[in-house]
Amino acid sequence: QQQVKQSPQSLIVQKGGISIINCAYENTAFDYFPWYQQFPGKGPALLIAIRPDVSEKKEGRFTISFNKSAKQFSLHIMDSQPGDSATYFCAASINQAGTALIFGKGTTLSVSS
Amino acid sequence: KAGVTQTPRYLIKTRGQQVTLSCSPISGHRSVSWYQQTPGQGLQFLFEYFSETQRNKGNFPGRFSGRQFSNSRSEMNVSTLELGDSALYLCASSLDGNGANVLTFGAGSRLTVL
Repeated sequence: QQQVKQSPQSLIVQKGGISIINCAYENTAFDYFPWYQQFPGKGPALLIAIRPDVSEKKEGRFTISFNKSAKQFSLHIMDSQPGDSATYFCAASINQAGTALIFGKGTTLSVSS
Repeated sequence: KAGVTQTPRYLIKTRGQQVTLSCSPISGHRSVSWYQQTPGQGLQFLFEYFSETQRNKGNFPGRFSGRQFSNSRSEMNVSTLELGDSALYLCASSLDGNGANVLTFGAGSRLTVL
């Protein structure tokens, strides 16, 4: 119940295309869902986050879609760029403060130019 | 504004030894959490400290422990090291105000156990 399942494991997208990464969870007590981006040799950095009372959140080219009844959420990267090539992690918080996160296994995105 | 600082960045230990890793959070941040990152298991939550108290704990054996000092700096300790403890250990700090908090991660301490 404390798992977050993420797919696909890896993704190759053409420059300008849409990248879509999906996550699913089981524990309905989770109430904060961030996405993190990690470049090689660096720690993860927050990209965008959502609460389950919102079905969609958009920040620039990045959009989270959230389906509470299906217990699924996804990250869409519009107009993907080579600089977006990184590993992306979805996560769910096990505490209200959002300081204790359960992460998905990650998706390695490669954007070809 | 300085980021989260972790030391040492790299270290090599042998089985059975113990190791202590240090994390200096962003100034003003009161919460520090620790994660283990491996290729097989990904990012796994170890524990979180706030005001010198462990507030949340992940599913790791008792060989993994931590503490937080009054200045919010934190250390984690792994005793009786095993080969499977080889990993990148990441520390993250957050302000811990009301509502959801943004975790800022350090670059990590890469531990190799031989």
